[in-house]
Amino acid sequence: EAGVAQSPRYKIIEKRQSVAFWCNPISGHATLYWYQQILGQGPKLLIQFQNNGVVDDSQLPKDRFSAERLKGVDSTLKIQPAKLEDSAVYLCASSSGTVQPQHFGDGTRLSIL
Amino acid sequence: AQKITQTQPGMFVQEKEAVTLDCTYDTSDPSYGLFWYKQPSSGEMIFLIYQGSYDQQNATEGRYSLNFQKARKSANLVISASQLGDSAMYFCAMREGTDSWGKLQFGAGTQVVVTP
Repeated sequence: EAGVAQSPRYKIIEKRQSVAFWCNPISGHATLYWYQQILGQGPKLLIQFQNNGVVDDSQLPKDRFSAERLKGVDSTLKIQPAKLEDSAVYLCASSSGTVQPQHFGDGTRLSIL
Repeated sequence: AQKITQTQPGMFVQEKEAVTLDCTYDTSDPSYGLFWYKQPSSGEMIFLIYQGSYDQQNATEGRYSLNFQKARKSANLVISASQLGDSAMYFCAMREGTDSWGKLQFGAGTQVVVTP
Protein backbone atom coordinates (compact mmCIF):
# COMPACT_ATOMS: atom_id res chain seq x y z
CA GLU A 1 0.00 0.00 0.00
CA ALA A 2 1.13 3.54 -0.64
CA GLY A 3 2.46 5.36 2.41
CA VAL A 4 1.69 8.80 3.77
CA ALA A 5 2.56 11.43 1.17
CA GLN A 6 3.77 14.89 2.12
CA SER A 7 4.84 17.91 0.11
CA PRO A 8 6.92 19.90 -0.24
CA ARG A 9 9.96 18.06 1.07
CA TYR A 10 11.83 21.25 1.87
CA LYS A 11 10.77 24.88 2.23
CA ILE A 12 12.75 28.02 2.94
CA ILE A 13 10.91 31.27 3.67
CA GLU A 14 11.54 34.54 5.41
CA LYS A 15 9.95 35.40 8.73
CA ARG A 16 6.48 36.90 8.52
CA GLN A 17 5.79 35.06 5.26
CA SER A 18 3.18 32.34 5.00
CA VAL A 19 3.65 28.68 4.10
CA ALA A 20 1.42 25.65 3.58
CA PHE A 21 2.12 21.93 3.81
CA TRP A 22 0.06 19.14 2.28
CA CYS A 23 -0.50 15.59 3.48
CA ASN A 24 -2.29 12.65 1.90
CA PRO A 25 -2.74 9.80 4.40
CA ILE A 26 -2.80 6.09 3.72
CA SER A 27 -6.01 5.17 1.96
CA GLY A 28 -8.77 4.37 4.41
CA HIS A 29 -7.04 5.85 7.45
CA ALA A 30 -9.57 7.91 9.38
CA THR A 31 -7.13 9.44 11.85
CA LEU A 32 -4.61 12.05 10.72
CA TYR A 33 -1.98 13.79 12.82
CA TRP A 34 0.34 16.76 12.30
CA TYR A 35 3.50 16.86 14.40
CA GLN A 36 6.21 19.49 14.78
CA GLN A 37 9.74 18.19 15.36
CA ILE A 38 12.29 20.79 16.38
CA LEU A 39 15.92 19.81 15.87
CA GLY A 40 17.15 17.56 18.69
CA GLN A 41 13.68 16.87 20.06
CA GLY A 42 10.97 14.29 19.64
CA PRO A 43 7.86 15.10 17.63
CA LYS A 44 5.16 17.16 19.32
CA LEU A 45 1.51 16.78 18.30
CA LEU A 46 0.03 19.94 16.82
CA ILE A 47 -3.37 18.74 15.71
CA GLN A 48 -5.30 15.50 15.26
CA PHE A 49 -8.25 14.83 12.97
CA GLN A 50 -10.76 12.03 13.15
CA ASN A 51 -12.22 11.97 9.64
CA ASN A 52 -12.69 15.67 8.96
CA GLY A 53 -13.25 16.75 12.56
CA VAL A 54 -10.59 18.12 14.93
CA VAL A 55 -10.27 16.03 18.12
CA ASP A 56 -7.12 17.60 19.62
CA ASP A 57 -5.53 20.94 18.81
CA SER A 58 -4.45 21.84 22.33
CA GLN A 59 -0.83 22.46 21.30
CA LEU A 60 -1.52 24.28 18.05
CA PRO A 61 -0.52 27.99 18.17
CA LYS A 62 -3.84 29.11 16.81
CA ASP A 63 -2.81 32.72 16.33
CA ARG A 64 -0.57 31.65 13.44
CA PHE A 65 -1.21 28.00 12.65
CA SER A 66 -4.29 26.56 10.99
CA ALA A 67 -5.15 23.17 9.55
CA GLU A 68 -8.01 21.62 7.70
CA ARG A 69 -8.99 18.21 6.43
CA LEU A 70 -11.73 18.68 3.94
CA LYS A 71 -13.68 15.55 2.97
CA GLY A 72 -11.80 13.54 5.55
CA VAL A 73 -8.92 12.62 3.26
CA ASP A 74 -5.97 14.92 2.62
CA SER A 75 -5.00 17.77 4.89
CA THR A 76 -3.26 21.13 4.77
CA LEU A 77 -1.32 22.81 7.57
CA LYS A 78 -0.66 26.54 7.24
CA ILE A 79 1.56 28.98 9.09
CA GLN A 80 0.85 32.69 8.76
CA PRO A 81 2.92 34.65 9.63
CA ALA A 82 5.97 32.46 10.23
CA LYS A 83 8.38 33.11 13.08
CA LEU A 84 11.99 32.03 13.45
CA GLU A 85 11.03 29.46 16.08
CA ASP A 86 8.81 27.67 13.55
CA SER A 87 11.90 26.23 11.90
CA ALA A 88 11.34 22.48 12.25
CA VAL A 89 10.32 19.33 10.46
CA TYR A 90 6.55 18.99 10.08
CA LEU A 91 5.46 15.39 10.08
CA CYS A 92 2.12 14.04 9.03
CA ALA A 93 0.95 10.64 10.25
CA SER A 94 -2.15 8.53 9.83
CA SER A 95 -3.64 5.48 11.45
CA SER A 96 -6.59 3.21 10.82
CA GLY A 97 -7.76 3.78 14.37
CA THR A 98 -6.68 5.62 17.47
CA VAL A 99 -5.25 2.44 19.03
CA GLN A 100 -3.34 1.42 15.91
CA PRO A 101 0.29 2.36 15.18
CA GLN A 102 0.74 5.67 13.41
CA HIS A 103 2.44 5.65 10.02
CA PHE A 104 4.46 8.73 9.16
CA GLY A 105 5.30 10.57 5.99
CA ASP A 106 8.81 11.79 5.12
CA GLY A 107 8.10 15.22 6.58
CA THR A 108 8.59 18.79 5.39
CA ARG A 109 11.76 20.49 6.54
CA LEU A 110 10.98 24.18 7.08
CA SER A 111 13.69 26.81 7.47
CA ILE A 112 12.82 30.39 8.42
CA LEU A 113 15.36 33.07 7.54
CA ALA B 1 6.29 16.94 33.44
CA GLN B 2 8.21 14.76 31.02
CA LYS B 3 6.24 11.59 30.35
CA ILE B 4 8.91 9.76 28.37
CA THR B 5 12.60 9.86 29.31
CA GLN B 6 15.40 8.62 27.11
CA THR B 7 18.63 9.21 29.01
CA GLN B 8 21.09 8.18 26.29
CA PRO B 9 21.56 10.99 23.78
CA GLY B 10 23.89 8.89 21.63
CA MET B 11 25.48 5.46 21.37
CA PHE B 12 28.08 3.71 19.26
CA VAL B 13 27.70 -0.01 18.62
CA GLN B 14 29.73 -2.41 16.51
CA GLU B 15 28.15 -4.29 13.68
CA LYS B 16 26.69 -7.67 14.71
CA GLU B 17 26.53 -6.69 18.38
CA ALA B 18 23.34 -6.16 20.37
CA VAL B 19 22.38 -2.75 21.74
CA THR B 20 19.87 -1.73 24.39
CA LEU B 21 18.15 1.65 24.26
CA ASP B 22 16.66 2.86 27.52
CA CYS B 23 13.19 4.31 27.94
CA THR B 24 11.35 5.11 31.14
CA TYR B 25 7.84 6.48 31.30
CA ASP B 26 5.56 8.18 33.75
CA THR B 27 1.84 7.56 33.91
CA SER B 28 -0.81 6.82 36.50
CA ASP B 29 -3.11 5.35 33.86
CA PRO B 30 -3.33 1.53 34.16
CA SER B 31 -3.96 1.24 30.43
CA TYR B 32 -1.28 2.51 28.07
CA GLY B 33 0.76 1.55 25.04
CA LEU B 34 4.44 1.96 24.37
CA PHE B 35 5.94 2.37 20.91
CA TRP B 36 9.39 2.54 19.41
CA TYR B 37 10.08 4.39 16.18
CA LYS B 38 13.23 4.65 14.07
CA GLN B 39 14.10 7.89 12.27
CA PRO B 40 16.94 7.65 9.71
CA SER B 41 18.69 10.78 8.52
CA SER B 42 16.23 10.97 5.65
CA GLY B 43 13.58 11.98 8.18
CA GLU B 44 10.76 9.47 8.01
CA MET B 45 9.53 7.84 11.22
CA ILE B 46 9.38 4.06 10.96
CA PHE B 47 7.25 2.08 13.41
CA LEU B 48 9.24 -0.76 14.98
CA ILE B 49 7.42 -2.37 17.88
CA TYR B 50 4.49 -1.99 20.28
CA GLN B 51 3.88 -3.13 23.87
CA GLY B 52 0.53 -2.83 25.62
CA SER B 53 0.42 -2.38 29.38
CA TYR B 54 -1.67 -5.52 29.80
CA ASP B 55 0.43 -7.69 27.51
CA GLN B 56 1.81 -10.64 29.44
CA GLN B 57 4.79 -11.24 27.19
CA ASN B 58 7.48 -8.91 25.94
CA ALA B 59 6.94 -7.85 22.34
CA THR B 60 9.30 -9.06 19.62
CA GLU B 61 9.54 -8.14 15.94
CA GLY B 62 12.41 -9.74 14.08
CA ARG B 63 15.66 -8.33 15.47
CA TYR B 64 13.75 -5.95 17.76
CA SER B 65 12.54 -6.88 21.19
CA LEU B 66 11.10 -4.84 24.00
CA ASN B 67 12.26 -5.45 27.56
CA PHE B 68 9.12 -4.36 29.42
CA GLN B 69 9.49 -3.96 33.18
CA LYS B 70 6.17 -2.61 34.35
CA ALA B 71 7.05 -2.12 38.02
CA ARG B 72 10.08 -0.07 37.05
CA LYS B 73 8.13 1.74 34.31
CA SER B 74 10.74 0.95 31.73
CA ALA B 75 10.41 -0.22 28.13
CA ASN B 76 13.89 -0.72 26.74
CA LEU B 77 14.40 -1.58 23.09
CA VAL B 78 16.92 -4.30 22.27
CA ILE B 79 18.32 -4.52 18.76
CA SER B 80 20.12 -7.79 18.17
CA ALA B 81 22.84 -8.34 15.58
CA SER B 82 23.18 -4.66 14.66
CA GLN B 83 23.52 -3.74 11.01
CA LEU B 84 24.94 -0.59 9.41
CA GLY B 85 21.41 0.31 8.33
CA ASP B 86 20.35 0.50 11.96
CA SER B 87 22.18 3.82 12.30
CA ALA B 88 19.39 6.29 13.09
CA MET B 89 17.55 8.18 15.83
CA TYR B 90 15.30 5.98 17.94
CA PHE B 91 12.26 7.37 19.72
CA CYS B 92 10.22 5.87 22.50
CA ALA B 93 6.59 7.02 22.69
CA MET B 94 3.58 6.42 24.91
CA ARG B 95 -0.15 6.54 24.39
CA GLU B 96 -2.20 6.76 27.58
CA GLY B 97 -5.48 4.90 27.78
CA THR B 98 -7.39 7.86 29.13
CA ASP B 99 -6.49 9.70 25.95
CA SER B 100 -9.17 8.12 23.84
CA TRP B 101 -7.89 9.82 20.72
CA GLY B 102 -4.55 8.06 20.83
CA LYS B 103 -2.13 10.97 21.12
CA LEU B 104 1.51 9.86 21.23
CA GLN B 105 4.00 11.52 23.55
CA PHE B 106 7.59 11.12 22.44
CA GLY B 107 10.90 11.12 24.24
CA ALA B 108 13.89 13.14 23.06
CA GLY B 109 15.40 10.19 21.23
CA THR B 110 18.70 8.27 21.18
CA GLN B 111 21.11 8.55 18.26
CA VAL B 112 22.60 5.16 17.36
CA VAL B 113 25.68 4.85 15.16
CA VAL B 114 26.64 1.37 14.02
CA THR B 115 30.30 0.99 13.14
CA PRO B 116 31.91 -1.69 10.94
